[in-house]
Amino acid sequence: QKEVEQDPGPLSVPEGAIVSLNCTYSNSAFQYFMWYRQYSRKGPELLMYTYSSGNKEDGRFTAQVDKSSKYISLFIRDSQPSDSATYLCAMRVQGAQKLVFGQGTRLTINP
Amino acid sequence: NAGVMQNPRHLVRRRGQEARLRCSPMKGHSHVYWYRQLPEEGLKFMVYLQKENIIDESGMPKERFSAEFPKEGPSILRIQQVVRGDSAAYFCASSPTGGETQYFGPGTRLLVL
Repeated sequence: QKEVEQDPGPLSVPEGAIVSLNCTYSNSAFQYFMWYRQYSRKGPELLMYTYSSGNKEDGRFTAQVDKSSKYISLFIRDSQPSDSATYLCAMRVQGAQKLVFGQGTRLTINP
Repeated sequence: NAGVMQNPRHLVRRRGQEARLRCSPMKGHSHVYWYRQLPEEGLKFMVYLQKENIIDESGMPKERFSAEFPKEGPSILRIQQVVRGDSAAYFCASSPTGGETQYFGPGTRLLVL
């Protein structure tokens, strides 16, 4: 079983829709949670960074962490074609530096 | 302010050759991380280095792979005697200190023929 599970998709939604992306994990020691966006043939770009449980909002993006369920989510409001990319969740334990990534979800926003 | 730089961006090698991948961290960053991304997979941690020190190499294959981050110059990921299974995108990330946000470079895409 992978430490971090993420549905690879692909996920295709119309422009303006609310997108929900999710990851589950098995290691209860994970304390730091991140979402990266990766455009085709590019490096990952950090979108959201959260510590422990709770919500964090940044513009059209909201990250949620539910440690009791070992479940994290990224919501994208008013989705745009420019949001089309692969979204990777990542997490790490306190004191360790290595990030453990999900497989990534390929998202397409259709105009 | 330049981001993380990696070169070459694309590298083609024949089986048995050596591959050298270079990473220059962001200005002011002294911590470097290497990750490998196989097709249709997420990134997998390989190694974490500070200047002149390997801190965590738990993700490095035991043979043929090595990494360094010298006092001067870029970090180098070296793959000896490459095999087709080494074909992947290799990403470098950097951070100012350990435990902070990791910023990724554009990656080096290695193709082994």
